[in-house]
Amino acid sequence: SQTIHQWPATLVQPVGSPLSLECTVEGTSNPNLYWYRQAAGRGLQLLFYSVGIGQISSEVPQNLSASRPQDRQFILSSKKLLLSDSGFYLCAWSLTSAGELFFGEGSRLTVL
Amino acid sequence: GDSVTQMEGPVTLSEEAFLTINCTYTATGYPSLFWYVQYPGEGLQLLLKATKADDKGSNKGFEATYRKETTSFHLEKGSVQVSDSAVYFCALSPNQAGTALIFGKGTTLSVSS
Repeated sequence: SQTIHQWPATLVQPVGSPLSLECTVEGTSNPNLYWYRQAAGRGLQLLFYSVGIGQISSEVPQNLSASRPQDRQFILSSKKLLLSDSGFYLCAWSLTSAGELFFGEGSRLTVL
Repeated sequence: GDSVTQMEGPVTLSEEAFLTINCTYTATGYPSLFWYVQYPGEGLQLLLKATKADDKGSNKGFEATYRKETTSFHLEKGSVQVSDSAVYFCALSPNQAGTALIFGKGTTLSVSS
């Protein structure tokens, strides 16, 4: 069966520090991968999605970036965090584009 | 573009009450529709889905029917439990390559005993 893991589960970082959130999927090949952010009262915001290694689409221009160095690995990064980057970050995968999504456990980021 | 609108929360109910969470959508093609549930501190889980008009998705006592004529996919449950307390998200898939699911803003349900 397929599983998805993301880490760390919680992170407290100062403004201006770098960020790296990792997500891996097991049990499937060539998944579509997604990063969403959930801010209080604002629902789910799609940040990035990827249909293959090295292929990243950005939905929201900001100081975050994403990379897909391996087929089942998806990384969310920032060189300098802002206060507004605080939120709950969710990684997800699907078999097909715009197909049913399977979510990881989430990573809660607090920027102070 | 395609979009999803769901009722504002929070929704507060007593145990065994009837639940309805409204969801309407705007889409240019033939979307699939989903309900996801998020328990506190966790990621989202698929609750049910429907892929074409008049389909009824059901799971764990929850139901939703894909109504193309009213562009709706309302979530219902006949008798809620305290364990149903969570945030519920309605979502739409445009079923087009290069796109992702579009989510509503979520509705918080709180059930008391």
